[in-house]
This record gives sequence, structure tokens and C-alpha cells, in this order.
Amino acid sequence: SQQGEEDPQALSIQEGENATMNCSYKTSINNLQWYRQNSGRGLVHLILIRSNEREKHSGRLRVTLDTSKKSSSLLITASRAADTASYFCATGGGGKLIFGQGTELSVKP
Amino acid sequence: DAGITQSPRHKVTETGTPVTLRCHQTENHRYMYWYRQDPGHGLRLIHYSYGVKDTDKGEVSDGYSVSRSKTEDFLLTLESATSSQTSVYFCATKAGGAEFMNTEAFFGQGTRLTVV
Repeated sequence: SQQGEEDPQALSIQEGENATMNCSYKTSINNLQWYRQNSGRGLVHLILIRSNEREKHSGRLRVTLDTSKKSSSLLITASRAADTASYFCATGGGGKLIFGQGTELSVKP
Repeated sequence: DAGITQSPRHKVTETGTPVTLRCHQTENHRYMYWYRQDPGHGLRLIHYSYGVKDTDKGEVSDGYSVSRSKTEDFLLTLESATSSQTSVYFCATKAGGAEFMNTEAFFGQGTRLTVV
């Protein structure tokens, strides 16, 4: 089964609102990464958080990691219509890179 | 894009025929991965490689084989294609080595395979 499970599977918000996506995983990790996928395209890396970090920021993105709960969250602040995409978490360890099922985010103008 | 080329980009094949998908990279990355993407399943790892001639199974490896004879090329073969292997296949690469343990992966644009 997949390492990462994401919640919610789909999220629809208005432009300007914040979007929060959650990811849970099962085994120990070296890092957790978030990727974005626009329809019909390959995935693009957004942000990586190491297992010894608790929070990381990049522009409008904020990622948290709780290794005791084996969970992470991605917050996109002040969302824009251009943020509409699928978002995936991925866990890395021992060379493998395992993805979750993803969250489909729709940002309405 | 980080110099990752997948070929072909689209393919329609008949059940029972062999199919080989190619992933070519120009980044000299150690790790290469093959994923399939299906609605409701996200990306699932098929096989990955951690060096020339070094490969390992992923989550959904049955029915697939891989080969890596050069750093830059990673081939995915469906020995006898089935309709359940209709999917979009993505290749990814990542730098290796202890100093690159916490680095991101780069993805190709995908290959849409239809088995009829």
C-alpha cells in the first residue's frame, strides 16, 4: 500500500482563501516532500522538509512535519486561481520515493 | 525541466504485445524511477534504480521489468501488455550520495499508454 495518504482528496476554495492539505505516512523517513501537478503535466517539486525539522516556509507555502504522528500539512496562503492543481506528498528513505494519492485543489476566481 | 525525456509520449498497443518505454536524463542523477498514475491511486512506484545495473522493485512491479545499462537511460518493459496496464507512466530522477540525501526528484512529462 502507499506510504502517504492525503486528506482531503479534493478541496474547492475561493481565491484569497487559505488551503490546507494533510499527509500521513507509515514508516520512518529521511524527509517529506510536496509536489504539484498541473493537469496533463509531470510533477514539480515545491518544498522539502527534513525529518529533524518541524516547520518550513517558501513564499506562500508553509509545511509542518510531526514525526510522532507521522503526518505533515501543506498550507497555501492567499490562494490564486493559478494554484489550481493536484498536490502530492512524497516520503523518501533508502532511495525509494513513495507518493500519496494526492489532493485536487480547485481555486475559484 | 531537468533534462528528462520520455519516449514515446503516447502509445496504443494490443493486449499480449511487448512494450518498452524509455527514460533518458542528462543530469547524471544516480536514482531513476518509474511510476504509473491512475485515477484514485495517485502515483505508484513500479521500479527504481540506484545505479547502473542496480534496480529494485516498487509497490506495483508485477508484469513490469526494467533495465539500466547506462546512467542516462532507464527502460521499462511490459513483457505482455494487459488492459490493466493502461495508464500514464512517469519517469523521475534524483541525485544520489549522502550529500544529496535530501534533494528533490525531477519528473518527465509522462507517457500515455493504452492497451486495447
